[in-house]
Amino acid sequence: QKEVEQDPGPLSVPEGAIVSLNCTYSNSAFQYFMWYRQYSRKGPELLMYTYSSGNKEDGRFTAQVDKSSKYISLFIRDSQPSDSATYLCAMSENDYKLSFGAGTTVTVRA
Amino acid sequence: ETGVTQTPRHLVMGMTNKKSLKCEQHLGHNAMYWYKQSAKKPLELMFVYNFKEQTENNSVPSRFSPECPNSSHLFLHLHTLQPEDSALYLCASSPHPRDTEKLFFGSGTQLSVL
Repeated sequence: QKEVEQDPGPLSVPEGAIVSLNCTYSNSAFQYFMWYRQYSRKGPELLMYTYSSGNKEDGRFTAQVDKSSKYISLFIRDSQPSDSATYLCAMSENDYKLSFGAGTTVTVRA
Repeated sequence: ETGVTQTPRHLVMGMTNKKSLKCEQHLGHNAMYWYKQSAKKPLELMFVYNFKEQTENNSVPSRFSPECPNSSHLFLHLHTLQPEDSALYLCASSPHPRDTEKLFFGSGTQLSVL
């Protein structure tokens, strides 16, 4: 069993739709959770950082963590073509070594 | 120049070649990393350096040899690679190895081994 599972997609949505991304994990000791965005031919950049359970909102982005279900989500509201990218989830036990998902490729159609 | 810069952006090499990847960070960070990103697979941490000292070697084959002469520069020396080593190699830096919230990546070197 992979430590972090992420549906690779691809996911294609019309502009303005809500994009829903998620990851499941097996290590109950994970307590730091991150979402990265990676544009084509670029390195990943941090989008959202969450410690422990709960929700965090930043503009059009909302990250949710459900530690009881070992499940994290990222929602993108009012999606734009500029949101087209690969989204990677990542997590760690102690804010040190990160375990990444394989990434979900998202295309927002104008 | 700002951020994390990697050169070259693309590299094609034969299995008997020797080449080096270079990374430079202009963020004043003390920790630097090499990651491997293969298609459809999660990022794999290869090496971690903190204040020029290697603190992590994630069971990487010896055909990959890292070098960190100072906190701003990181190299990955490659020799006798295999086709399965073809991937995007990403360099990253952070203020400290435990500052994953402040992990910055370069744009990577896309490596193809023929």
